[in-house]
Amino acid sequence: SSELTQDPAVSVALGQTVRITCQGDSLRNYYTNWYQQKSGQAPVLVIYGENNRPSGIPDRFSGSSSGNTASLTITGAQAEDEADYYCHSRDNSGNHVVFGGGTRLTVL
Amino acid sequence: QVQLQESGPGLVKSSETLSLTCSVSGGSMSGHYWNWIRQPPGKGLEWIGYVYDSYSVSTNYNPSLKSRVTISEDTSKNQFSLELNSVTAADTAVYYCARARQGVHREIDYWGQGILVTVSS
Repeated sequence: SSELTQDPAVSVALGQTVRITCQGDSLRNYYTNWYQQKSGQAPVLVIYGENNRPSGIPDRFSGSSSGNTASLTITGAQAEDEADYYCHSRDNSGNHVVFGGGTRLTVL
Repeated sequence: QVQLQESGPGLVKSSETLSLTCSVSGGSMSGHYWNWIRQPPGKGLEWIGYVYDSYSVSTNYNPSLKSRVTISEDTSKNQFSLELNSVTAADTAVYYCARARQGVHREIDYWGQGILVTVSS
């Protein structure tokens, strides 16, 4: 099992706001990156270093962190945001890379 | 624009060695972390390890796979490779090569398209 814990599934109504969380002790010390993975595709970086968006990522995506929990927020979810989302950071030792188990987002 | 492309056999027999290569184009390999990540069918992402080329070459592996994994690079060809030995059906997955940027965040900014490797008995 992963050292980073995510809810397996979350749903949101079209146009509403949704928060996807990632919990782990290592998050008190290390930044979190977030990836979006659509069916049959490679993951895409959407947020890095807690709240930085790569070029081309819509500003409805944002990140935050408090204590041992990092969050990815989508403000005004769109149909195209339906995907799996993974958090990414370091393990408790700080020496290795780890992914969360992933959250499947459904846009209703 | 950096591009990564995985190559290798899509079918490996149980107990044998899985070997994949990632070809990197559009950028230098120096100063970045070159990762292998896998995803079993219907499951989440699992980090396998990386090779890091700066002043010297270093590697780092997932502790759960460390005894079976070797990642190496050939900068003259702009490639890096994965070897996973003694494979079982549990190693069946899509294997991605990916670049993580140097720095405090080490975000993965480029991914290959992935290659499905099936382990058969």
